[in-house]
Amino acid sequence: AQSVTQLDSQVPVFEEAPVELRCNYSSSVSVYLFWYVQYPNQGLQLLLKYLSGSTLVESINGFEAEFNKSQTSFHLRKPSVHISDTAEYFCAVSAYSGAGSYQLTFGKGTKLSVIP
Amino acid sequence: NAGVTQTPKFQVLKTGQSMTLQCAQDMNHEYMSWYRQDPGMGLRLIHYSVGAGITDQGEVPNGYNVSRSTTEDFPLRLLSAAPSQTSVYFCASRRGYEQYFGPGTRLTVT
Repeated sequence: AQSVTQLDSQVPVFEEAPVELRCNYSSSVSVYLFWYVQYPNQGLQLLLKYLSGSTLVESINGFEAEFNKSQTSFHLRKPSVHISDTAEYFCAVSAYSGAGSYQLTFGKGTKLSVIP
Repeated sequence: NAGVTQTPKFQVLKTGQSMTLQCAQDMNHEYMSWYRQDPGMGLRLIHYSVGAGITDQGEVPNGYNVSRSTTEDFPLRLLSAAPSQTSVYFCASRRGYEQYFGPGTRLTVT
């Protein structure tokens, strides 16, 4: 079985300040890692993903996440946040569970509030 | 390509009423699932399906039924609504490891 822990349920940060949203996972097999974003009153959208290759992945709106296998982490960072980044962010882990199936597990989410 | 669609967007039910939340996808994905989202609880898996005719229970299946007669559609039925089922419901589909979500249905049970 796998699990995902998002260490902070809420993160307030001032506009233009840097932010890090933390995610740790546990799994006995190799994993794929995802960050999803949910803007107020909307569904979840894929923000970025790590499948293989470079451990640093980037999104089109300035977020990045680094896969750290030894620390089993996939923290999300942005050097300078905007008001429009206010949203809830979910970390997710996908692992092969056999017979062509992948088990997908979500963290409980981190609410990012950007303060003007 | 519409992706994953859900209807209705909003619904208010009285305790004891039944209803069906509709979900459809046009990506020919075999795997579909239903989640509910409650404050502080994240996403909890209700039911899922790995293909037409095959469904299974997730983490919180009580009070809900599903069926999968076609690859495209995966409706969620509330048999006798209870206030504890007030939530936002998301349908999702995927092939392999990447999941796509619908826009959600906000359900209130009074």
